[in-house]
Amino acid sequence: DIQMTQSPSSLSASIGDRVTITCQASQDISTYLDWYQQKPGKAPKLLIYDVSNLETGVPSRFSGSGSGTDFTFSISSLQPEDIATYYCQQHDSPPLTFGPGTKVDIK
Amino acid sequence: EVQLVESGGGLVQPGRSLRLSCAASGFTFDDYAMYWVRQAPGKGLEWVSGISWKSDSVAYVDSVKGRFTISRDHAKNSLYLQMNSLSPEDTALYYCAKGSRGTIFGVITGWGQGTFVMVSS
Repeated sequence: DIQMTQSPSSLSASIGDRVTITCQASQDISTYLDWYQQKPGKAPKLLIYDVSNLETGVPSRFSGSGSGTDFTFSISSLQPEDIATYYCQQHDSPPLTFGPGTKVDIK
Repeated sequence: EVQLVESGGGLVQPGRSLRLSCAASGFTFDDYAMYWVRQAPGKGLEWVSGISWKSDSVAYVDSVKGRFTISRDHAKNSLYLQMNSLSPEDTALYYCAKGSRGTIFGVITGWGQGTFVMVSS
């Protein structure tokens, strides 16, 4: 199975800050990497698919990059509504494993 | 609008069985792979199982292989998860989820609100 790691596990940032999360796969997954946002008590929501494609309706302050085993997710200017846990997930081969998550809150 | 409504969760004793259901609407159920994803209390997301649009391809996380069975009924627009030999480690909120394509190698584009399963004596 493909293992996904994320760092950091949590971060605190100020409104307007740039936030960056990294995700690493245990083997090459090409560009089959997605990012989800989960707010407390809510179901996850797809933000970015296939590394860098924004889901419809997702603000452009969210972005992603990478390929192979190393990926990056960024929020260009953190907003109060971005407080959530963010998960990467590979869909290269089943089981379609998630990373452990990165909890983002306001400093 | 995609709607996925899970049911069937509850309190069950270790070693017993439970069947989860997910009623789908708002999209052509026949065309998309479907998944179950779970989240233990205070923990992260864990992909549990997936089934292709034709049911010709299924997959499971190792921890549930041989105990859980995913299936779908196109006539009822429903997804199921039969869970046998449950253990306390299976305690979680179980989400039904919709894929982006017919194969299980896809993006999860829709989620239900989840049904909670607690395994305890």
